[in-house]
Amino acid sequence: LAKTTQPISMDSYEGQEVNITCSHNNIATNDYITWYQQFPSQGPRFIIQGYKTKVTNEVASLFIPADRKSSTLSLPRVSLSDTAVYYCLVGDAGGATNKLIFGTGTLLAVQP
Amino acid sequence: ETGVTQSPTHLIKTRGQQVTLRCSSQSGHNTVSWYQQALGQGPQFIFQYYREEENGRGNFPPRFSGLQFPNYSSELNVNALELDDSALYLCASSLWNQKDTQYFGPGTRLTVL
Repeated sequence: LAKTTQPISMDSYEGQEVNITCSHNNIATNDYITWYQQFPSQGPRFIIQGYKTKVTNEVASLFIPADRKSSTLSLPRVSLSDTAVYYCLVGDAGGATNKLIFGTGTLLAVQP
Repeated sequence: ETGVTQSPTHLIKTRGQQVTLRCSSQSGHNTVSWYQQALGQGPQFIFQYYREEENGRGNFPPRFSGLQFPNYSSELNVNALELDDSALYLCASSLWNQKDTQYFGPGTRLTVL
């Protein structure tokens, strides 16, 4: 499984757009990129998944450049309730990979 | 659609005791994974169950064991509890061919004294 690197923490203000970048230099051809969000004392929640270019859902957008060695999670107009830890994971969705490997994630603190 | 549920929510045990944690998977999901999350860390994979058999294991000793039942629910058992076993234990369910899209329960907070 490809290792990921992301900032330990980020600060933002309500209403701003937040971009969290994740590096995954050793991503394999079959790997997808998935982001999870976790609030204190809760389980992680799936946010978005992508393979290449751009993916958008009701919560976030995921930008993946052509070389796929990094990805950027974009949260539009954050609110206080978006304060959480965000994890970037890389793995083969349908293959023999059995586990999700979480790093320490990025703690996003949104201030009023 | 019923989400992943876990019981109990909190548990206090003493060293050397045994504990059983329970998980009900999301409707239609046939794969269950268990994770241990220490304070300030990301979740660490313990093991995964599919078709009632263990299908992959992380770096955890044999005193961590599990079961999956025909209805896809699951149990995590930990014997001979140690202080370092204090953590949030998370259960996640998924479809076998979408294992990186896992749906997590709220977790069980285990405290070992």
